[in-house]
Amino acid sequence: EDQVTQSPEALRLQEGESSSLNCSYTVSGLRGLFWYRQDPGKGPEFLFTLYSAGEEKEKERLKATLTKKESFLHITAPKPEDSATYLCAVVKFGFQKLVFGTGTRLLVSP
Amino acid sequence: DTAVSQTPKYLVTQMGNDKSIKCEQNLGHDTMYWYKQDSKKFLKIMFSYNNKELIINETVPNRFSPKSPDKAHLNLHINSLELGDSAVYFCASSPSRSGRATEQFFGPGTRLTVL
Repeated sequence: EDQVTQSPEALRLQEGESSSLNCSYTVSGLRGLFWYRQDPGKGPEFLFTLYSAGEEKEKERLKATLTKKESFLHITAPKPEDSATYLCAVVKFGFQKLVFGTGTRLLVSP
Repeated sequence: DTAVSQTPKYLVTQMGNDKSIKCEQNLGHDTMYWYKQDSKKFLKIMFSYNNKELIINETVPNRFSPKSPDKAHLNLHINSLELGDSAVYFCASSPSRSGRATEQFFGPGTRLTVL
């Protein structure tokens, strides 16, 4: 069965303290891996799509990478406004639906 | 504003009632979705429509019936509401792009509370 596991479940960082979030997946035939950010009371906001192992995408303080088994979301010198839940999702070949992980709640303290 | 919009934002109702949630997107996308986010914040697909045609129907009770009058709208009607239906429901849309999985854009959500 397709599975997406995110770790850690929650992460507390000091402002400026870089770290990484992990998304491990077991999917037969990955068509794409997606990262979203979700703020409380809002819908998920699209961040990145990764299609193949070795691919990397960057946006401001965030960088997403992909291997054949997992993806990392690296956060460099985070700020309090980066506090949110980060969701990882996969789409497999032949399907259109996103299969989500349970998310990582990130809190960045000033 | 170009976006995915949902109404209402909050819905509080009694068990046994019937209710509807509306969704509209003005992004010109061909595909629309309904997701359910439970109390543990886990997001799961319910339905998907492509150009008004149902393409995904996960294991969802028959009490849930989606309707797509045109490709910009996807509504969700729920009959005989139960306590377990309490959740946040998100609508999403995505463009069609041959051969590649495309990003989905989500609405703000509808928080349904069944008393």
